[in-house]
Amino acid sequence: DSGVTQTPKHLITATGQRVTLRCSPRSGDLSVYWYQQSLDQGLQFLIQYYNGEERAKGNILERFSAQQFPDLHSELNLSSLELGDSALYFCASSRLGAQSEKLFFGSGTQLSVL
Amino acid sequence: AQKITQTQPGMFVQEKEAVTLDCTYDTSDQSYGLFWYKQPSSGEMIFLIYQGSYDEQNATEGRYSLNFQKARKSANLVISASQLGDSAMYFCAMRGGNSYDKVIFGPGTSLSVIP
Repeated sequence: DSGVTQTPKHLITATGQRVTLRCSPRSGDLSVYWYQQSLDQGLQFLIQYYNGEERAKGNILERFSAQQFPDLHSELNLSSLELGDSALYFCASSRLGAQSEKLFFGSGTQLSVL
Repeated sequence: AQKITQTQPGMFVQEKEAVTLDCTYDTSDQSYGLFWYKQPSSGEMIFLIYQGSYDEQNATEGRYSLNFQKARKSANLVISASQLGDSAMYFCAMRGGNSYDKVIFGPGTSLSVIP
């Protein structure tokens, strides 16, 4: 158990809908990362937060947004969903986000857009 | 821009043999960190090993070692005495030298261990 909790584990929805994925980092970790894993795109970095503030951004679509709350949990919002958004979404956390810190991953949310 | 390349989409190895998974990277940073993660079929991401760009010795963690060649920008993972449980996807990853840089991943290598 990595200590990172993601909910829900599975999500099935329709095109055009909006969903929210939730992540609770390990106790004491200030940095949260979101990744999208699909068969054809591999593990793509979406966005990173540190202590409530956006720290780094990857190839995150404008339809997607995220935030980190004062209690350090994070939410990833996906709107106007398309079939191509179907993927495994991982959240990861680390203490400060320093160079040598490994990421602890949650078990992921499998999103299926029908 | 930083980039990770893993040129072996899939590999096979006989049980108890050693195997090397290739990873090359591109960065203009002088200071950076390199990671390897394992993803079994169950889906979780498991940290294996870390190498800092200024570390003088190659990292080792049990049966895992990292063959780090800085001038060639390669960080190959060596798994000794392969076990059936080593069958999984393996990802090479890098974090740049700027404070709190993002961690990017390579496309992965699928390793199958044959009994």
